[in-house]
Amino acid sequence: AQSVTQLGSHVSVSEGALVLLRCNYSSSVPPYLFWYVQYPNQGLQLLLKYTSAATLVKGINGFEAEFKKSETSFHLTKPSAHMSDAAEYFCAVIGISGNTPLVFGKGTRLSVIA
Amino acid sequence: EPEVTQTPSHQVTQMGQEVILRCVPISNHLYFYWYRQILGQKVEFLVSFYNNEISEKSEIFDDQFSVERPDGSNFTLKIRSTKLEDSAMYFCASSVRDSGYTFGSGTRLTVV
Repeated sequence: AQSVTQLGSHVSVSEGALVLLRCNYSSSVPPYLFWYVQYPNQGLQLLLKYTSAATLVKGINGFEAEFKKSETSFHLTKPSAHMSDAAEYFCAVIGISGNTPLVFGKGTRLSVIA
Repeated sequence: EPEVTQTPSHQVTQMGQEVILRCVPISNHLYFYWYRQILGQKVEFLVSFYNNEISEKSEIFDDQFSVERPDGSNFTLKIRSTKLEDSAMYFCASSVRDSGYTFGSGTRLTVV
């Protein structure tokens, strides 16, 4: 079975500061990992995904994440926060061995302060 | 870019009524899913559908729920007799195996 834990339900950063959203996974098989973003009253948009190629994955809007097997982590970062980054961010995992459903973390709300 | 389309965007229904939420997945995708998100909570898996049958379902997906792919393009979620606690955002998704799901923009269901 797969699961993800997102540390911190709410993260607040200043505009221009580093964004770091933490995600740790648990998986009995090699995982595929994803970050989704949800803007207020909108659906889920894929930010980036790790599918066993490069461990450093670049996504949209300047975000990137690094898969660290030794730490079972897939933290999301962005060097410089923008006001438009304020949203809910979800880490998700799926096992690559079969058609198992995508499992989401509880989400982290990112606030950006001017 | 291909999209998953969900209709309606918002539905209000009375408790005990049946509702059908509609989704048009991406045309070359083979796997279809429904998820829900109760306000302020995590996104929860309901059901997956492949080759015209349910491949997996969660504890939430009880006898009140059913899914159907009636015509090869639409994918529907039916709730037979809605309860107040069914109020949530319902997301449809489709995928090509494990390459990442594409989600629709959701249907907000309000049961009154």
